[in-house]
Parts: sequence; C-alpha cells; structure tokens
Amino acid sequence: DIQMTQSPSSLSASVGDRVTITCQASQDISNYLNWYQQKPGKAPKLLIYDGSNLETGVPSRFSGSGSGTDFIFTISSLQPEDIATYYCQQYDNVPYTFGQGTNLEIK
Amino acid sequence: EVQLVESGGGLVTPGGSLRLSCAASGFTFSGSSMNWVRQAPGKGLEWVSSISSSSSYIYYADSVKGRFTISRDNAKNSLYLQINSLRAEDTAVYYCVKDYQAGVVAFDCWGQGTLVTVSS
Repeated sequence: DIQMTQSPSSLSASVGDRVTITCQASQDISNYLNWYQQKPGKAPKLLIYDGSNLETGVPSRFSGSGSGTDFIFTISSLQPEDIATYYCQQYDNVPYTFGQGTNLEIK
Repeated sequence: EVQLVESGGGLVTPGGSLRLSCAASGFTFSGSSMNWVRQAPGKGLEWVSSISSSSSYIYYADSVKGRFTISRDNAKNSLYLQINSLRAEDTAVYYCVKDYQAGVVAFDCWGQGTLVTVSS
C-alpha cells in the first residue's frame, strides 16, 4: 500500500497568513493526488485534484503543486472560514489512501 | 444539484450485519464510479470500496475484504454496501462518494454519512 505522510499534523496561523501543508507519498504517484477540506461535523469537500487543478467554485487562494512523491498545498491568505482539517489522497494505486490530516486553527 | 443520501446505519452487535444504501440524484448515476469512504470517531478518512459504473470493476480495502460487498442498481440510482461480520473497529461514519470523472479518482460529491456503531 502507498503511505501518505502529511505534515504538520496541526497548524496555528493568523488571518492573512500564507499556509503550507506538505504530503509525501511512499512511492512515485505521478500527479494522482487530491486535497480535501473537512469542517467539523461535515463531509469532506474536494479542493484540488490531479495535484494542482482547482475544483470548480473553490476560491483561488487555494492551490496545489508537486508530482512524484512530494506535494504542497497552499492557502495564500488564510481566512477565518478556512478553519478545518485538510487531507491529501492518492489514487495511483488501490487501496486509495489518505494522509492522516492536518488540523488548521486560527491563532 | 447532486445529492447523495445514505441510510441504513445503526447500532449492531459484533458479528452482526447491516446493509447501507445510498440514493443518488442530480447526475448521471449510471455513468459514474462510486465509492464508500469511512471515518471512525475522531479519526481520519479511510477508503473502503469502489465500484465502476457498470459494476465491472470492484475494489476493497484489505481491512474489509471478504466481509463487505459493494453493489449498485443503476435503474434505481442506488449504491449499496453489505457489511457482515462486523467488528468494533468498523464503527465509523460511512460516506457514499461519487468519483469526479473517468480516469480521475477524486471524490467530488459526498453524502452526509450514516453512522455505524458496533458494540455489545
């Protein structure tokens, strides 16, 4: 199975900050990497697919980059409504695996 | 508007069974691969199973292989998950999830989830 390692596991930042989350795959997954946002008590929401493609309707402050084994998720200017847990997910191989999540809080 | 509505969750004793259902609307169900993803209380996301649009391809996580069965009825726009031999570690919210598009296994639409609790 492909292991997905996210870091950090938790993060505290101020409104307006640039926030970066990394996701590392245990083997080359090309660009088969997606990012999700999950707010408390809600279902996850797809933000980024194929490493860097912004899902329709998602604000442009969210972005993704990377390929191979190393990926970066960025919020260019943190907003209060971005408080959530963020997950990466690979689909290069079954089983499709998620990172352990990054819990983002407002400082 | 795309809608996925799960049902069938509940409290079950270890070794018991449940059948989860997901009613889909607002998109061409018969053209979409579908999935079940679960989340144990306070934990992360775990992919459980996938089924292609025509049921030709079916995949399971090792943790549920041999105990869970995914199926679909395209005439009824419905997805199912038969879960047998339940264990305490199967306790989770189970989400019905739609694939983004052919060739891209991104989960773009999620139901509200149905809670399965395995306890004696």
